[in-house]
Amino acid sequence: RKEVEQDPGPFNVPEGATVAFNCTYSNSASQSFFWYRQDCRKEPKLLMSVYSSGNEDGRFTAQLNRASQYISLLIRDSKLSDSATYLCVVGNYGQNFVFGPGTRLSVLP
Amino acid sequence: DTAVSQTPKYLVTQMGNDKSIKCEQNLGHDTMYWYKQDSKKFLKIMFSYNNKELIINETVPNRFSPKSPDKAHLNLHINSLELGDSAVYFCAGSYANTGELFFGEGSRLTVL
Repeated sequence: RKEVEQDPGPFNVPEGATVAFNCTYSNSASQSFFWYRQDCRKEPKLLMSVYSSGNEDGRFTAQLNRASQYISLLIRDSKLSDSATYLCVVGNYGQNFVFGPGTRLSVLP
Repeated sequence: DTAVSQTPKYLVTQMGNDKSIKCEQNLGHDTMYWYKQDSKKFLKIMFSYNNKELIINETVPNRFSPKSPDKAHLNLHINSLELGDSAVYFCAGSYANTGELFFGEGSRLTVL
């Protein structure tokens, strides 16, 4: 089993749609969780951290289920500018952060 | 005022050559990293340096050697380049207490 796995995608959704991405991780000792966004031919950038109680940032909601070793990202009211690859990242401070393979999202007009 | 800058952005070279990619950060990051993103877009860590000490050395060929002259720089030297080394190499920095990674723009290496 890979350390971090994500929905394979791609996801093609119309503007305004709600879309959810899933991520699972294998290392139960992991303490830090993030969602990154990577645009085509660009560097990854932090979208949001994921906290145990779940957290929201505008149209984006992240959830963590430690028991199931599962992380999710929900995007509401999708915009064209949301088109990108979304990377799930799991790790511990001072140690390795493992990136998932990414899920590509295309928001269509 | 780029936080993490790496040069060159593009590098095309022949098999067997030796090349270096430079990375500099100006945010006072505690830790710096090198990641490799291959043609399948999988981002994998290669090295991590914390205050000039190597703390992670994933199973990469010893043709790859990180060099950190000071806390703000982490360069990547590659000997005897092979076709499979073609990829985008990202430098990144982080603060010890947050974990957020700040990436450079990437260096696209093509080995012919």
